[in-house]
Amino acid sequence: DAGITQSPRHKVTETGTPVTLRCHQTENHRYMYWYRQDPGHGLRLIHYSYGVKDTDKGEVSDGYSVSRSKTEDFLLTLESATSSQTSVYFCAISEFPGAGELFFGEGSRLTVL
Amino acid sequence: DAKTTQPPSMDCAEGRAANLPCNHSTISGNEYVYWYRQIHSQGPQYIIHGLKNNETNEMASLIITEDRKSSTLILPHATLRDTAVYYCIVRGGTTDSWGKLQFGAGTQVVVTP
Repeated sequence: DAGITQSPRHKVTETGTPVTLRCHQTENHRYMYWYRQDPGHGLRLIHYSYGVKDTDKGEVSDGYSVSRSKTEDFLLTLESATSSQTSVYFCAISEFPGAGELFFGEGSRLTVL
Repeated sequence: DAKTTQPPSMDCAEGRAANLPCNHSTISGNEYVYWYRQIHSQGPQYIIHGLKNNETNEMASLIITEDRKSSTLILPHATLRDTAVYYCIVRGGTTDSWGKLQFGAGTQVVVTP
């Protein structure tokens, strides 16, 4: 299995508080992604990174920011969490940007009250 | 990326082959067919992908029709651990795709003893 660790795995927070989710990989893959999964919507791409300090927006990036200061770490930040951001968040990595498989982490379940 | 259509659910007896169909009639020439699965509460897992030719790996076989408008994922000897939601995804092979996997509703496969 690909070495991907997400933390925290579960978090409950209140509306308006900042939240940071961390994705750590040991595969030295260049490309990293954050997805969210919600019933009825499948997985949706939030942000992705194609190298250290190189990031771009996905289809549902509003309310989220990311940072990647090291190859192995990709952080997802909710500056001021809202109830609509209650979701399961998955980090993924890939060696190549186009064809090729993505390896996913185990997910982080976030509940915003 | 082209849209895919899958049956919402299917059952399979343990030890038998499971044949999962997928329609992707609007697929274009440079788009790959990917299959992922998601076991309950886990991150999606890559299974296999192909462009034109049939593909086989240790997990499954992928059969793509000659006109590429449909494909079938074959799990040769289904086990109870294969119970999962299976996603058929069409994705371009260029850097424009950037991990943008469009996960639909998938097929819920239940393997029964």
